[in-house]
Amino acid sequence: KAGVTQTPRYLIKTRGQQVTLSCSPISGHRSVSWYQQTPGQGLQFLFEYFSETQRNKGNFPGRFSGRQFSNSRSEMNVSTLELGDSALYLCASSYPVDTQYFGPGTRLTVL
Amino acid sequence: AQKITQTQPGMFVQEKEAVTLDCTYDTSDPSYGLFWYKQPSSGEMIFLIYQGSYDQQNATEGRYSLNFQKARKSANLVISASQLGDSAMYFCAMGSIIQGAQKLVFGQGTRLTINP
Repeated sequence: KAGVTQTPRYLIKTRGQQVTLSCSPISGHRSVSWYQQTPGQGLQFLFEYFSETQRNKGNFPGRFSGRQFSNSRSEMNVSTLELGDSALYLCASSYPVDTQYFGPGTRLTVL
Repeated sequence: AQKITQTQPGMFVQEKEAVTLDCTYDTSDPSYGLFWYKQPSSGEMIFLIYQGSYDQQNATEGRYSLNFQKARKSANLVISASQLGDSAMYFCAMGSIIQGAQKLVFGQGTRLTINP
């Protein structure tokens, strides 16, 4: 079985821009979660989607949003980028409440 | 609120030795799961082992075992016969199922270095 895939792997944006990250879960997995990893804050939960519905949300501003499609693929969007949004964004999938398996991450740099 | 504490920022171990990575947790949830993940420099989080809060026996997966002491709220990872490829960041995490949803709370991690 193919693992979780995330695209793109690397992104460089400037302040004020917006960005969309994509995550394709393991085949058959219906839950997708997103995490942000920074050196200062560590790993923090952003949100989780199951069957196209957001079931849980972390403590992040509204600039961070996401969605899930009928094929369980998920996207997260960050609008009006700030320097502090530079991070590794990790996506994880599970079926549907179980061990989470992570993708390779998208490394976002905001200049 | 849930909290995971990993008190060892870094550890240095000789190859082939066993190593214990510490993890303590705090939660008021009656049902929860404890996970360990490995993160090499490439960034991907690799699942290692899982322990459910109601599991009577400690979990084992190959060279990995989880020393679960519920009364002490600790879930230490033991790696036997360490290898050079074990050098990485290790994260302890807790998952709680709330209203059908799930999220993981992570500790700050321990950087393990295996010396030849």
